[in-house]
Amino acid sequence: GNSVTQMEGPVTLSEEAFLTINCTYTATGYPSLFWYVQYPGEGLQLLLKATKADDKGSNKGFEATYRKETTSFHLEKGSVQVSDSAVYFCALSVKAAGNKLTFGGGTRVLVKP
Amino acid sequence: DAMVIQNPRYQVTQFGKPVTLSCSQTLNHNVMYWYQQKSSQAPKLLFHYYDKDFNNEADTPDNFQSRRPNTSFCFLDIRSPGLGDAAMYLCATSRDRGKEKLFFGSGTQLSVL
Repeated sequence: GNSVTQMEGPVTLSEEAFLTINCTYTATGYPSLFWYVQYPGEGLQLLLKATKADDKGSNKGFEATYRKETTSFHLEKGSVQVSDSAVYFCALSVKAAGNKLTFGGGTRVLVKP
Repeated sequence: DAMVIQNPRYQVTQFGKPVTLSCSQTLNHNVMYWYQQKSSQAPKLLFHYYDKDFNNEADTPDNFQSRRPNTSFCFLDIRSPGLGDAAMYLCATSRDRGKEKLFFGSGTQLSVL
């Protein structure tokens, strides 16, 4: 089956620190990969995506590279801000499964001033 | 402006007392989804509507039902809530089936007493 594994949080950082959230996956078929973010009190929002191996998704200073050889899609940001405090979800979809999203468990990130 | 609206934000019900959660969208999207998210776990897809076509996930309990009277509204009915049904319920939409960008509401946090 399809599954996504993320590092458990919470991850607590100081402002301007480097952030990495690990994500690995297993999939039957060739998945598309996503990062969704959930800010406090809000719904999930698509942060970035990558649809094929070696693609890099980027948005708002965040980046993630689709690594087929390691089945990974780690999220990185070079200098975090307090406003980046949120829960981050890694997800995949496979066309053969109707493109339904499979989410990881989420990683809470807290950035302190 | 909110595009996927869920009401209420918090819902309390009693064990065994039917409860309905509502979702509306202003995006005119064809597909509407209901996810269940328990604390610190991944969102789990319960079912989705593609237009008027209802698609239930194989492991969704019979206790959970859904209605979509028109394009804009979708309801989640829990016929006899148990303590294990306490969770955040997320509604999401996508423009069409196979479109992987989902737009989420802020969710309804359900408590069962």
